[in-house]
Amino acid sequence: LAKTTQPISMDSYEGQEVNITCSHNNIATNDYITWYQQFPSQGPRFIIQGYKTKVTNEVASLFIPADRKSSTLSLPRVSLSDTAVYYCLVGDGETGANNLFFGTGTRLTVIP
Amino acid sequence: NAGVTQTPKFQVLKTGQSMTLQCAQDMNHEYMSWYRQDPGMGLRLIHYSVGAGITDQGEVPNGYNVSRSTTEDFPLRLLSAAPSQTSVYFCASRRTAGGPVETQYFGPGTRLLVL
Repeated sequence: LAKTTQPISMDSYEGQEVNITCSHNNIATNDYITWYQQFPSQGPRFIIQGYKTKVTNEVASLFIPADRKSSTLSLPRVSLSDTAVYYCLVGDGETGANNLFFGTGTRLTVIP
Repeated sequence: NAGVTQTPKFQVLKTGQSMTLQCAQDMNHEYMSWYRQDPGMGLRLIHYSVGAGITDQGEVPNGYNVSRSTTEDFPLRLLSAAPSQTSVYFCASRRTAGGPVETQYFGPGTRLLVL
């Protein structure tokens, strides 16, 4: 089971780019890296997923180095509404169900 | 599509009482799961199902039962509630069970207080 390690919290000013790095040293060959966002009193929401190199969508970018032992979620020009907890997850490629195991996440606070 | 729905939104129980948390999805998803989230913590997997008639345990299954008689519904049963089960419960679903991990959709949560 691939565990992940993230910073517990980060602060950023509005308009800045935010990079949240996640460590997953024991990632398996079949595992994908997925990031979720959770606002207070809501369920997590999918942001982005990748396997290697770089993935970009309308919300964020995900950078994955060649060894895949870490990944970086990049949020461009954050706003106050990006204040949330961000979870990095690695799919359990050892079982057919590919269960997602959440860590404690990174609490991002965007400051005006 | 309503997505993933959960009822009730909030429930207060006394120790020893039983209840069922309801979860339904209208996306014809194969995989469904239940998580609990304690204050300041991440989500922990309780039980999951890879299809109708098939369920299995997650990280923290003790005190909870599940069944999956239809594709749409995945109820979570607390047989004898304990204060340690005070938490927010999230139900989630995704299109398939196996293969590369796909987007998982979460319900709005049920906030449970056990006195």
